[in-house]
Amino acid sequence: QVQLVQSGAEVKRPGSSVKVSCKASGGTLRSYGISWVRQAPGRGLEWMGGIIPLFGTVTYAQKFQGRVTITAVESASTVYMELSSLGSEDTAIYYCARQDCGGDCHYAYWGQGTLVTVSS
Amino acid sequence: DIVMTQSPDSLAVSLGETATINCTSSQGVLFSSNKKNYLAWYQQRPGQPPKLLIYWASTRGSGVPDRFSGSGSGAHFTLTVSSLQAEDVAVYYCQQYYSNPRTFGQGTKLEIK
Repeated sequence: QVQLVQSGAEVKRPGSSVKVSCKASGGTLRSYGISWVRQAPGRGLEWMGGIIPLFGTVTYAQKFQGRVTITAVESASTVYMELSSLGSEDTAIYYCARQDCGGDCHYAYWGQGTLVTVSS
Repeated sequence: DIVMTQSPDSLAVSLGETATINCTSSQGVLFSSNKKNYLAWYQQRPGQPPKLLIYWASTRGSGVPDRFSGSGSGAHFTLTVSSLQAEDVAVYYCQQYYSNPRTFGQGTKLEIK
């Protein structure tokens, strides 16, 4: 059974960075894409970007280009998402989600979410 | 970017009745070479991460009750929840994975009448 376990809640100052981890167990990390999706309080789901560790390919949403970095450490079955230059609008729950195939497909597995609060 | 638009934004349905949620994409998400619609539906209960319900527009996810069904093709899709139960209270999202960036609908809040 695939499980994605994310790191704990963070409180950050405006202008700083945050790095959230997502550890996969029960399945292969390499062959499947993992994406990061965030949800601001009371709002919908917003895709930030994703990585396919097998190919080393990373894609970012234009909105976050230059501010987000997604990396993978295969030996640790862990994917990271780092977001810089934080503002109050970045306060959200950040989810990692794993695809159910090697190509373009749906997200069958989701992490429990990591609350990032940006406050001075 | 492909814009996903859901309707309605919210609806209230009586227990045992049927709820219907629509999703329209700004461009088609049917891949001609494999005839698959790159469209998924997710359920998000309060305080929980999203859960996959339907993929390829009409295939139920693992363990999803057959009360949930998806239909449609091209740019117009529907999620139907039959015999509504109290546990179905949630926000439902459609999502396209035809192209990057992946995009979600704004969500439809389903409540019990």
